[in-house]
This record gives sequence, C-alpha cells and structure tokens, in this order.
Amino acid sequence: KAGVTQTPRYLIKTRGQQVTLSCSPISGHRSVSWYQQTPGQGLQFLFEYFSETQRNKGNFPGRFSGRQFSNSRSEMNVSTLELGDSALYLCASSLTTSAGETQYFGPGTRLLVL
Amino acid sequence: AQSVTQLDSQVPVFEEAPVELRCNYSSSVSVYLFWYVQYPNQGLQLLLKYLSGSTLVKGINGFEAEFNKSQTSFHLRKPSVHISDTAEYFCAACNAGGTSYGKLTFGQGTILTVHP
Repeated sequence: KAGVTQTPRYLIKTRGQQVTLSCSPISGHRSVSWYQQTPGQGLQFLFEYFSETQRNKGNFPGRFSGRQFSNSRSEMNVSTLELGDSALYLCASSLTTSAGETQYFGPGTRLLVL
Repeated sequence: AQSVTQLDSQVPVFEEAPVELRCNYSSSVSVYLFWYVQYPNQGLQLLLKYLSGSTLVKGINGFEAEFNKSQTSFHLRKPSVHISDTAEYFCAACNAGGTSYGKLTFGQGTILTVHP
C-alpha cells in the first residue's frame, strides 16, 4: 500500500498570504490528523477529521482551518500567514479514531514564511 | 491535561553500546504510550506502543520500552545501537480507551547520535 502523501513538500510564502496544504491518507484510512512541528514548540496537534467532520481541534488560532473530502483526502489552510507559521506540517492517517490506533505519518510539508 | 517530558534533549553514544532514552508522562486519566522515530527530512515512524498487558513492549529495529505506572515512565532501550539509529526520537501519549480523536501529545524529542 502507498503511504501517506503530502503536497507540496516545500513552500515559500510571504507574510499576509494564505496557503493550502494537501494530504492523501493511506487507502482505506478515514481519520486524518494534522500536526505542526517547530524547533521551539515541538510537535503540536492542530486538528483531526473523520468522515469529513472535524472531531477534534488543538489550541491554534482560527487562521488555521481544514477540511476533509469524501475520499478522505484532507487539506489544511492557513490564512494571513505570520513569520511564526514557518514549520513542518505533518499529516497522519489511521483507520479509525480509536485510542491506541497507530497513526501513520507523511513526510510533511515544510513551510517558510518570509 | 496531559504532558510528556523527554528528559534528555541529546544523547550521544558509541556504536554497539546500549542506549536508554527517557520519557515521563503526566495525566489525570489512563494513557496509551508510543515511541516514534524521525529520520532527517522524513515523517514519523512508529517504533512501538503500549496499550495494555505486559509492561515490556518490543518494537521494530531491536527497540523495546518498559511501562512503569508507579514512576509514570516509558523509557526506550536498545542493547546495541547502529550508526543507522541516528535520528530524533519522540515519546507520545493519548487518552486510553474510547476515542482519542487523533490527538497525540508529544514530548520535545531526543536526538540520538551514534558515533563510530
């Protein structure tokens, strides 16, 4: 089976712009979670989608949003980019949202905001 | 609230030596625990996880971890490391039972560097 894929892998934007990142989960997986990874804050949970519904959300401002399509592919959007949004954004998929279910991570999208 | 603390930010070790990466957690409810590894420019790969049962969990690549409820710890060990084990290692937790709704709480990571 193909793993989790994320596009694009690298992105450079300027402050104030918006960006959309894409994640394709492993075939058959219905849950997609997003994480932000920075040197200062580490790995932080953004949100999780299951069957096109956001089921959980981390402590991030409303500029961060996401959605999931009927084929389980997910996108996250960041509006009005700030310098501090520079990070590696990781997407993870799992079969269900059961606790303990293994999450499979993609390679990430590295976003640089100038 | 739940937190995960990795006690060492960097661990240097010589090839073929044993290594232990330390992880403590704090939670008001029961937790499931995980260790992930991240190689440069890659995503995270699951090494092992503890859900229930035997407190000694064996994972991939010769790694194992021991869950200690009284000390709220989940330390990762390998008896003999290889150069290829050089990577960053993350300990993570989620609420046990029911639905975690995707949320893993991660520690700050430990960079393991294996020297020849």
